[in-house]
Amino acid sequence: DAGVTQSPTHLIKTRGQQVTLRCSPKSGHDTVSWYQQALGQGPQFIFQYYEEEERQRGNFPDRFSGHQFPNYSSELNVNALLLGDSALYLCASSLGQGPMRQYFGPGTRLTVT
Amino acid sequence: SQQGEEDPQALSIQEGENATMNCSYKTSINNLQWYRQNSGRGLVHLILIRSNEREKHSGRLRVTLDTSKKSSSLLITASRAADTASYFCATKEFYFGSGTKLNVKP
Repeated sequence: DAGVTQSPTHLIKTRGQQVTLRCSPKSGHDTVSWYQQALGQGPQFIFQYYEEEERQRGNFPDRFSGHQFPNYSSELNVNALLLGDSALYLCASSLGQGPMRQYFGPGTRLTVT
Repeated sequence: SQQGEEDPQALSIQEGENATMNCSYKTSINNLQWYRQNSGRGLVHLILIRSNEREKHSGRLRVTLDTSKKSSSLLITASRAADTASYFCATKEFYFGSGTKLNVKP
């Protein structure tokens, strides 16, 4: 039973560029949430996708966008990268939208230079 | 702010001792969850406690919830070096605090 997978593991981008991160949820899960975790901080909620729609969103600008595919996998896109976007990006999957236990992937480490 | 805040920020104990960390929050909640993170990796879910529960156990973990004080505590008994990690509470599923960094010395 595969857990949550994320790609790539590491990524280095330049300011102003765009980046796409990918996530495959745990088998049987239909909901994907994305988080940004700066060094030494807790994860900050970006948004959640369910049934291919963004259902909830945290306090992140429109530069952060996402998509969920029919197979429940998801992408996180960040445009016009800033140095402050350097962080560990975590994807979490769960089943449905009730009070839910989330299963996290290992994350993608994004460095913006 | 909807997120919880953990206290202390860091905790260092000897193997075999108990570790207690606390979480305070400001908004009403339906449930509160605790997660563990080993050194910059993905988070692992430890326990979920609902707002109508006061205490919950899972192995060496004991979680309490006091909704009148808007606080929760996580107790790890008989700690092991492998418990060294950061511990986070999450309110409303999505909102994590800054965590407690636990170091268990062998």
